[in-house]
Amino acid sequence: KQEVTQIPAALSVPEGENLVLNCSFTDSAIYNLQWFRQDPGKGLTSLLLIQSSQREQTSGRLNASLDKSSGRSTLYIAASQPGDSATYLCAVKGSSNTGKLIFGQGTTLQVKP
Amino acid sequence: NAGVTQTPKFQVLKTGQSMTLQCAQDMNHEYMSWYRQDPGMGLRLIHYSVGAGITDQGEVPNGYNVSRSTTEDFPLRLLSAAPSQTSVYFCASTSSGGGRDNSPLHFGNGTRLTVT
Repeated sequence: KQEVTQIPAALSVPEGENLVLNCSFTDSAIYNLQWFRQDPGKGLTSLLLIQSSQREQTSGRLNASLDKSSGRSTLYIAASQPGDSATYLCAVKGSSNTGKLIFGQGTTLQVKP
Repeated sequence: NAGVTQTPKFQVLKTGQSMTLQCAQDMNHEYMSWYRQDPGMGLRLIHYSVGAGITDQGEVPNGYNVSRSTTEDFPLRLLSAAPSQTSVYFCASTSSGGGRDNSPLHFGNGTRLTVT
């Protein structure tokens, strides 16, 4: 059974720091991995999607990497800003037709001015 | 561009009552799904649909019904509400969602349901 773990559960950093969020999964037979952002009381917003054949994806100050063989992904946030404060979730998708995503518990990030 | 719209945003029910959570998307997505988010449990798939007239069960379907009469709408029905169904419910959609689909999932803003 696929399990997704995110460490740490919470992180507090001063503005301007570069930081890394970690995601690990137990079954390497994934089709893709997605990183989402969730603001309090809101839905999830897709940040980056990495296909199983890809190693990384970049969008602005965000860079996500995928190492399928070791079951790990990282989300790198450069020059963090207070507006980056949110919960970040990773989710993996298998190859079944359910389209089901298995989510981690998330990392809650606070960027202090 | 509305994306995925969920109503209501908040709802309080008494045990045994029934209700329908509404979900609509305007992106012509074939795939729609319902997740519930609970502290310590993360998000779990309730039901999904790969197209109009086609629905199937996810990980935690008991106590819920769905239907998909149009591409746009995917309502979730609670048949007889129980306190264990207190949760935040999210509707999500994507282009096709199938095993070979690499489109991102688009979420609505959620419905916060409390069952007393």
